[in-house]
Amino acid sequence: DQQVKQNSPSLSVQEGRISILNCDYTNSMFDYFLWYKKYPAEGPTFLISISSIKDKNEDGRFTVFLNKSAKHLSLHIVPSQPGDSAVYFCAASGGGNTPLVFGKGTRLSVIA
Amino acid sequence: GAGVSQSPRYKVAKRGQDVALRCDPISGHVSLFWYQQALGQGPEFLTYFQNEAQLDKSGLPSDRFFAERPEGSVSTLKIQRTQQEDSAVYLCASSPPGTGGQETQYFGPGTRLLVL
Repeated sequence: DQQVKQNSPSLSVQEGRISILNCDYTNSMFDYFLWYKKYPAEGPTFLISISSIKDKNEDGRFTVFLNKSAKHLSLHIVPSQPGDSAVYFCAASGGGNTPLVFGKGTRLSVIA
Repeated sequence: GAGVSQSPRYKVAKRGQDVALRCDPISGHVSLFWYQQALGQGPEFLTYFQNEAQLDKSGLPSDRFFAERPEGSVSTLKIQRTQQEDSAVYLCASSPPGTGGQETQYFGPGTRLLVL
């Protein structure tokens, strides 16, 4: 029973366009959400996070949106660049250094 | 500054062997987590330390898995009598002292374990 779901295993986007990665969760106790990016043979790299008291957080080309009522979050990357090609993991926690619960990841390919 | 480091990066073990995986967290990070990532899956929680205290080991899959952090810094994950289903990437993450209950975890490169 997955508490964090990334329903799209892969996504292909042209360079310069917007990439939208989606994530759904079921546990209403989650109050902190993170996106990690992972290249092959490396550990996940922290990208951006959002607290449940916010509905948007922006950092450069990356924006995360949170819709608590729908238990849905999304990561927008604009403009997409070839170096963004990686696996993106959505993660959630109940805060206070509780373990992260991860989705299965979405492989993003940005085509030049 | 230096990130989380893990060693070895790759380990091949024969079924039944014991293995030890090491994690060096970021200096000053009191919290340390171990995760297991199977092929095609997201990381799954194994255990959590705050300083030297193991506060949560609910994710350890069996009593063959044991973790320690005796001095509150370096941690070792030990797997006894390895089985083929233990083959996975083992990730270590650390996070800084509390900042209001929402601490970001920073991951090491992982140890890829293959049990033959």
